[in-house]
Amino acid sequence: AQSVAQPEDQVNVAEGNPLTVKCTYSVSGNPYLFWYVQYPNRGLQFLLKYITGDNLVKGSYGFEAEFNKSQTSFHLKKPSALVSDSALYFCAVRGSGGYQKVTFGIGTKLQVIP
Amino acid sequence: EAQVTQNPRYLITVTGKKLTVTCSQNMNHEYMSWYRQDPGLGLRQIYYSMNVEVTDKGDVPEGYKVSRKEKRNFPLILESPSPNQTSLYFCASSLEGQGARNYGYTFGSGTRLTVV
Repeated sequence: AQSVAQPEDQVNVAEGNPLTVKCTYSVSGNPYLFWYVQYPNRGLQFLLKYITGDNLVKGSYGFEAEFNKSQTSFHLKKPSALVSDSALYFCAVRGSGGYQKVTFGIGTKLQVIP
Repeated sequence: EAQVTQNPRYLITVTGKKLTVTCSQNMNHEYMSWYRQDPGLGLRQIYYSMNVEVTDKGDVPEGYKVSRKEKRNFPLILESPSPNQTSLYFCASSLEGQGARNYGYTFGSGTRLTVV
């Protein structure tokens, strides 16, 4: 069975500092990986995805994620955090080929401190 | 504007009173899905639909029903709601199964349901 682990319930970072939100996954075959962001009282918004190709994926709002096959990780990063980045972030995984269910992590709350 | 629309946004109901949460998308997506979000549990899939008249159970289908009579609509039905179904519900759609590799989901704004 596929799974996603987000080991940190909350990440605190000072405004202007780089941020990393961690994600590891388990899936059969090649993974398709996603990051979503949820602002308070809103639905989830798609940030970025990895399907194939470059291990560094660039997404919305200056976020990027690094795919590491050997470590089965897909950590979300941003060089300089903004207070407005404070939100709940979800990592998700899907197997490749045919219909595959998408499994979400439990989410990591990012708090950017002014 | 491409979007998934859920209604209502908030609902308080009593145990056993049937209710329906509507979901509609305007992107011609064949794939639609319902999730519930609970603290510490993340998003769990309730039901999904690959196309009209094609639905299947997700991880937590007990106590829920769905129907897909039209491509754009995918209502979630609680025939006899119970307090353990108090949750935040999201509908989502995507191009899954339509030959594209853009598998990103578009989510609705959510329905916060309280069953007392």
